[in-house]
Amino acid sequence: NAGVTQTPKFRVLKTGQSMTLLCAQDMNHEYMYWYRQDPGMGLRLIHYSVGEGTTAKGEVPDGYNVSRLKKQNFLLGLESAAPSQTSVYFCASSYSTGSRLAFFGQGTRLTVV
Amino acid sequence: TQLLEQSPQFLSIQEGENLTVYCNSSSVFSSLQWYRQEPGEGPVLLVTVVTGGEVKKLKRLTFQFGDARKDSSLHITAAQPGDTGLYLCAGADDNQGGKLIFGQGTELSVKP
Repeated sequence: NAGVTQTPKFRVLKTGQSMTLLCAQDMNHEYMYWYRQDPGMGLRLIHYSVGEGTTAKGEVPDGYNVSRLKKQNFLLGLESAAPSQTSVYFCASSYSTGSRLAFFGQGTRLTVV
Repeated sequence: TQLLEQSPQFLSIQEGENLTVYCNSSSVFSSLQWYRQEPGEGPVLLVTVVTGGEVKKLKRLTFQFGDARKDSSLHITAAQPGDTGLYLCAGADDNQGGKLIFGQGTELSVKP
């Protein structure tokens, strides 16, 4: 099983450019999440989705958009990248019931110059 | 806004010592999870606790969920260099529509 797969793994953007990060899971999970991780700040929730066609804002949603057109995919978009969005981005998925343990992708290291 | 506060943020100890990491909140959670993350990798789940007062053991690691389901602790006995890593707690609140929020993490270094 692939689990949770993120693409790309690394990316360098210029300020103002746009890009989309793709997250795919093969575990038939209902819930999917996008986090960013910065030194000393743990994982901060950007957006999340509780099912196909639904999305919701997390703790730090500004500057990002998301879409969940298919249950297995969760896309994170940056319309106009800023240096403050330099970070490591993690996608995760989980079941909707029970302990809701989350499975994570390997991360995308994004640098905005 | 739900917050999870972890302490300490950094911990450097010698092999064989014991340690405890705390995860505290003013909010009640349906479940609380502990993850371990190594450099360049995503977090990996260690344990989930769902019942107030619950204690779970995983070899030398002991996890406890507070009676009020607002806090949790992770205790490591006789730490080893292989325990080095970032430890993260995460809380899920089924009344908050699917959110899973994380504490800021505890960076543990175990020196031989």
